[in-house]
Amino acid sequence: QKEVEQNSGPLSVPEGAIASLNCTYSDRVSQSFFWYRQYSGKSPELIMSIYSNGDKEDGRFTAQLNKASQYVSLLIRDSQPSDSATYLCAPRNRDDKIIFGKGTRLHILP
Amino acid sequence: SAVISQKPSRDICQRGTSLTIQCQVDSQVTMMFWYRQQPGQSLTLIATANQGSEATYESGFVIDKFPISRPNLTFSTLTVSNMSPEDSSIYLCSAQGDTYFSNTEAFFGQGTRLTVV
Repeated sequence: QKEVEQNSGPLSVPEGAIASLNCTYSDRVSQSFFWYRQYSGKSPELIMSIYSNGDKEDGRFTAQLNKASQYVSLLIRDSQPSDSATYLCAPRNRDDKIIFGKGTRLHILP
Repeated sequence: SAVISQKPSRDICQRGTSLTIQCQVDSQVTMMFWYRQQPGQSLTLIATANQGSEATYESGFVIDKFPISRPNLTFSTLTVSNMSPEDSSIYLCSAQGDTYFSNTEAFFGQGTRLTVV
């Protein structure tokens, strides 16, 4: 089983709609979870972190965590063309290392 | 958040040569890591750079190929040795655990785009 699984996409979402990105992880001990956004040719940029079960909102972004299901998601409301990027799910594992999923390519349709 | 400067930002190297990549953080951090991102792929952890001791390598990566130094809490280097075209990739430095702000988030340098010819 892969440590971090994400749908590679591309996920196409109309501008103004909600984009939903999902991720499952294998290490039950993981306590910290991060979402990074990566534009083509750029390094990853941290956009959300979440540590407790439930929802965490920051502007148009909402991260959701369910440790029992080993599931973390990212919702992007009012999607903009500038949100088009690859989104990387990255839990911190039991060795304090951040392990990345393969990423979901998101394409916002104007 | 920590600001990470990585250099060079890109380089084209001849096969068989070595390249050392430098990573400088503007604050003391607990942990520093090196990742590789091959074209169209996600980030793969190469090793943890340990301050004052030998780096800890992930499966598939060895010290002879990727020697790493970390002389203090703000600086690390990664050397890609005896390069081959398969080493063409983006190499990223990451810093976690800002000792001043006590956070656990990881930030990245801008990366080094390496092309081996």
